[in-house]
Amino acid sequence: EVQLVESGGGLVQPGGSRRLSCAASGFTFSRYWMHWVRQAPGKGLVWVARLKPDGTGTDYADSVKGRFTISRDNAKNTLSLQMNSLRAEDTAVYYCARGIYGHSGIDYWGQGTLVTVS
Amino acid sequence: AIQMTQSPSSLSASVGDRVTITCRASQDIRNDLGWFQQKPGKAPMLLIYSASILQSGVPSRFSGGGSGTDFTLTISSLQPEDFATYYCLQDHNYLALTFGGGTKVEIK
Repeated sequence: EVQLVESGGGLVQPGGSRRLSCAASGFTFSRYWMHWVRQAPGKGLVWVARLKPDGTGTDYADSVKGRFTISRDNAKNTLSLQMNSLRAEDTAVYYCARGIYGHSGIDYWGQGTLVTVS
Repeated sequence: AIQMTQSPSSLSASVGDRVTITCRASQDIRNDLGWFQQKPGKAPMLLIYSASILQSGVPSRFSGGGSGTDFTLTISSLQPEDFATYYCLQDHNYLALTFGGGTKVEIK
C-alpha cells in the first residue's frame, strides 16, 4: 500500500524558514517523480514543485521560485521541502504527492501538513 | 502558464442524478488531464488520468472525456459518497502543472 506521511508543519513568523518532510513507503521511491502541492484554507489546490526520481531535476511554481527548495533522499525514502523567506500567503496545507509512473501526472497524496505564517 | 477554467464552481444535485463537470484549458493540452475528488479535511484522490483512463479502484460511474482544450468529468448516477469537491489538473506543461478552481458538488 502506497503511504506518504508529511511532517514539519507549524507556526512560523513572516520571513522565517521551515522544512517539511515526507516519508514514503509501499513503493520503490527512487523510481518516481515526487511533487509538493499546497492548499490555502478554504481555497483550491496549487502545484508547488516537483523533483526527478534521481534528484537531479527540479521545477517550481513562479510564486515559490528562489525561496523554496525540493530535495529527496532515496536511501531513506524521504522527500523534503525547504521553505525560506516565508510570507503570509504561503499559509496552507502542504501535500506530498507521487507522480504517475511514466507519466507527468499525480496519483497518490499524503494527508498534508499545515504551515501557518503569522 | 496554462490556465484551467473549471465550471460550474458549485452545483446542487440529488442522489441518482447524472452530473457533468467541465474543464477548459487556455491552450491545447492533448489528453494530459487528470481529475481528483477531495472530501473536507482529506487529501485529494485521483479518479481519472490521461483524460479518460479510470484509476484502479475507482467506481465505473465516473468517466472522463475530451481532448485538446475541453474536458468533462461525468458521474453517471450520483451516490451519497460522491458529495465532494472535484478538481482537474493539466500535466501537459510538466514544468508548471495547473489545477482548475474546483467544483463543489452539494446535496440538493
